[in-house]
Amino acid sequence: GAGVSQSPSNKVTEKGKDVELRCDPISGHTALYWYRQSLGQGLEFLIYFQGNSAPDKSGLPSDRFSAERTGGSVSTLTIQRTQQEDSAVYLCASSSGTVLAKNIQYFGAGTRLSVL
Amino acid sequence: QKEVEQDPGPLSVPEGAIVSLNCTYSNSAFQYFMWYRQYSRKGPELLMYTYSSGNKEDGRFTAQVDKSSKYISLFIRDSQPSDSATYLCAMSALNYGGSQGNLIFGKGTKLSVKP
Repeated sequence: GAGVSQSPSNKVTEKGKDVELRCDPISGHTALYWYRQSLGQGLEFLIYFQGNSAPDKSGLPSDRFSAERTGGSVSTLTIQRTQQEDSAVYLCASSSGTVLAKNIQYFGAGTRLSVL
Repeated sequence: QKEVEQDPGPLSVPEGAIVSLNCTYSNSAFQYFMWYRQYSRKGPELLMYTYSSGNKEDGRFTAQVDKSSKYISLFIRDSQPSDSATYLCAMSALNYGGSQGNLIFGKGTKLSVKP
């Protein structure tokens, strides 16, 4: 596709349920990032994938959060046993992954998660 | 102290005004500086990208970086209602904190340009 695609665009869930958020990056981009944007907060880094390297998980807030990237393309962010404080917009970005281009990240429209 | 500080606004200006948006930061390791624009319910869109200190101009937009003061600015000339959005500054340093180039964002400034 032309840009980064995320699904679903909106997700409402009950506290304690698990959710899966999907990101389809720009074709050919080797780097993929997940961020979280909460009301009144800036974007918070969650996790980073680069090619076949081990992901950088340093931003994940708890062990309820995990992410996978299959075949170096599509990524899924999973939140287990959701809590109300998980309510936020989850944004995915991709970049070409070269040394300088890592900073030129293209974002999807995000998934707006509401935990009731 | 947050790594990146940005006044959240909101900032309201009349059409045609010059807008000045700013961020300060604390970590001298940052080398790459970006401004993103985010419309309501959309993802951030890269506006300007600069490396190290200096100015960069693109149409009505000018980005300035002053590394000695740890201060970056975005100027918008002849502002238009279509410029109404949230503007996020972002910065990074290669191999910062063991992470490979993830961006550190300000909280964003909400700008409204009134016709």
